[in-house]
Amino acid sequence: NAGVTQTPKFRILKIGQSMTLQCAQDMNHNYMYWYRQDPGMGLKLIYYSVGAGITDKGEVPNGYNVSRSTTEDFPLRLELAAPSQTSVYFCASRTGRGAYNSPLHFGNGTRLTVT
Amino acid sequence: AQSVTQLDSHVSVSEGTPVLLRCNYSSSYSPSLFWYVQHPNKGLQLLLKYTSAATLVKGINGFEAEFKKSETSFHLTKPSAHMSDAAEYFCVVSLYSGGGADGLTFGKGTHLIIQP
Repeated sequence: NAGVTQTPKFRILKIGQSMTLQCAQDMNHNYMYWYRQDPGMGLKLIYYSVGAGITDKGEVPNGYNVSRSTTEDFPLRLELAAPSQTSVYFCASRTGRGAYNSPLHFGNGTRLTVT
Repeated sequence: AQSVTQLDSHVSVSEGTPVLLRCNYSSSYSPSLFWYVQHPNKGLQLLLKYTSAATLVKGINGFEAEFKKSETSFHLTKPSAHMSDAAEYFCVVSLYSGGGADGLTFGKGTHLIIQP
């Protein structure tokens, strides 16, 4: 039972490069989320999705894009990377039924450095 | 709108002594509440959750939390700290958000330090 799988674990980008952070879950969860975590700042929501084909912006969406073509996958795209995007990125999922009562399941994160 | 305040950014206790991590929330409605733990270089793991059943909730690794509506608090406790408890702890409020999916609010975290 893999849960939520994120790849890669680490990545260094040069300013202006692009990349996609991968996230996959095998729990048939409808809701999926992308967060970034900066030291002492807790977690900030970037984008979320309530099901395949449906995505919405969170608190800090600028500089990012997402797609949700399947229930399992929710990739996060960084276009034109900037130093401000240096962070740890977490993908999470939870069931859609009674979602607000159900806990999030997190991946182990992707540590991204932009130089 | 809801909010979550973790009252201490850092807590330091000696091994074998009690742990208290404080969380207060504000919400217009009855929320679900969660505590998560994050060990270094790991994702967040669910410790326990409150979803309007028993107000005293037991979680993994000997942790428990009590929901006090009158005090709008959901403090996390453990009778005896272990070195492996050293980690970051997050309190999370979850509300039904109608048509949207995101009714989640995270606290900023409490860093628990265990002294040998």
